[in-house]
Amino acid sequence: KQEVTQIPAALSVPEGENLVLNCSFTDSAIYNLQWFRQDPGKGLTSLLLIQSSQREQTSGRLNASLDKSSGRSTLYIAASQPGDSATYLCAVRLWYGSEKLVFGKGTKLTVNP
Amino acid sequence: DTAVSQTPKYLVTQMGNDKSIKCEQNLGHDTMYWYKQDSKKFLKIMFSYNNKELIINETVPNRFSPKSPDKAHLNLHINSLELGDSAVYFCASRDIAGGYNEQFFGPGTRLTVL
Repeated sequence: KQEVTQIPAALSVPEGENLVLNCSFTDSAIYNLQWFRQDPGKGLTSLLLIQSSQREQTSGRLNASLDKSSGRSTLYIAASQPGDSATYLCAVRLWYGSEKLVFGKGTKLTVNP
Repeated sequence: DTAVSQTPKYLVTQMGNDKSIKCEQNLGHDTMYWYKQDSKKFLKIMFSYNNKELIINETVPNRFSPKSPDKAHLNLHINSLELGDSAVYFCASRDIAGGYNEQFFGPGTRLTVL
């Protein structure tokens, strides 16, 4: 059974700091991994999606890496801003053709001005 | 120009009642989902429909009955509501036929059962 863990559960940093969020999964046989952002009272916004054959994806100040063999992914946020404050979720898709995403509990990030 | 919309946004009701949550997507996607996010913030898939056909049913009590009248809509009807049904319910969609891997989520419906 695939389990996804995100550490830390909460993180508070001063504005401008670079930071790393961690995601680990127990079964390395995944199809892809997706990072989402969840704002209070709002839905999930997809940030980055990494296919199992890829090592990393970048979008603006965000960089996500994937090490499938060790069951780990990281989300790197450069020069953090107060607007980055949100809960960040990672989710793995089990295999090609599977519609099931398995989510972690998320990391709640607070960026202080 | 909302992509995935849900109504209502908030729903407060008594135990034992029957209620429905509606979801619509205007992205032209062929697959829609319902997820439940409980008080511990775990987000778990409940159902998935592809072209109006059920493809995932994740051991959800049969009090929950999804209905997909067309590809753009996936409604969730819940009978005999229980306290444990209190959660945020998210609808999502994806374009499988188009080969796109990302799921797009709605804003959520916060259900509170008293």
